[in-house]
Amino acid sequence: QSALTQPPSASGSPGQSVTISCTGTSSDVGGYNYVSWYQQHPGKAPKLMIYEVSKRPSGVPDRFSGSKSGNTASLTVSGLQAEDEADYYCSSYAGSFVVFGGGTKLTVL
Amino acid sequence: QVQLVQSGAEVKKPGASVKVSCKASGYTFTGYYMHWVRQAPGQGLEWMGWINPNSGGTNYAQKFQGRVTMTRDTSISTAYMELSRLRSDDTAVYYCARDPADIVVVAVKYYFDYWGQGTLVTVSS
Repeated sequence: QSALTQPPSASGSPGQSVTISCTGTSSDVGGYNYVSWYQQHPGKAPKLMIYEVSKRPSGVPDRFSGSKSGNTASLTVSGLQAEDEADYYCSSYAGSFVVFGGGTKLTVL
Repeated sequence: QVQLVQSGAEVKKPGASVKVSCKASGYTFTGYYMHWVRQAPGQGLEWMGWINPNSGGTNYAQKFQGRVTMTRDTSISTAYMELSRLRSDDTAVYYCARDPADIVVVAVKYYFDYWGQGTLVTVSS
């Protein structure tokens, strides 16, 4: 039950776009369309941003989008804003359990 | 509105047990699975398992098998997570998190649409 692989950090200037990758295997990311992404600000609980690879919950800005190719999922944040600075975690269904990525700290320069 | 309110911080000695509660409101408690996820200080998220509040059925992560017990009290819409034989590396914030799957209609979806505020459990001698 290895963790999914995410880059430890990512950054971009306000208004720019940034993409965070999440690499797994055919037993998790590549095998199911149950990839989700969470945003976590310091000291706060995670917040669901994307589910089932590319769907956005109500209230999440359309600046956030998700995709998947093979064993790698991606979260793209377009039109970066200061409040997007946070940690982002991917997760995937892996056949009766969940595996998370190690997290990516997104910095808005 | 959906709310998950957890019990307060705990300090435990190695070898002891801890029981964290999660009180749900704003929806039908028995209609949605409840997961538990933990986060060690400065670390990532780790899934621990889920409970079906309707049947009491559970599914635990392999890592926690034999040490974790998830229960519920439907009369007060509250889920519980008890972790035994605590070690220092169990120091973490423990979250309850709702699964969006309607228990009657679909199987567990294994993602989390609402989270509790977290409960810090510190294990120290």
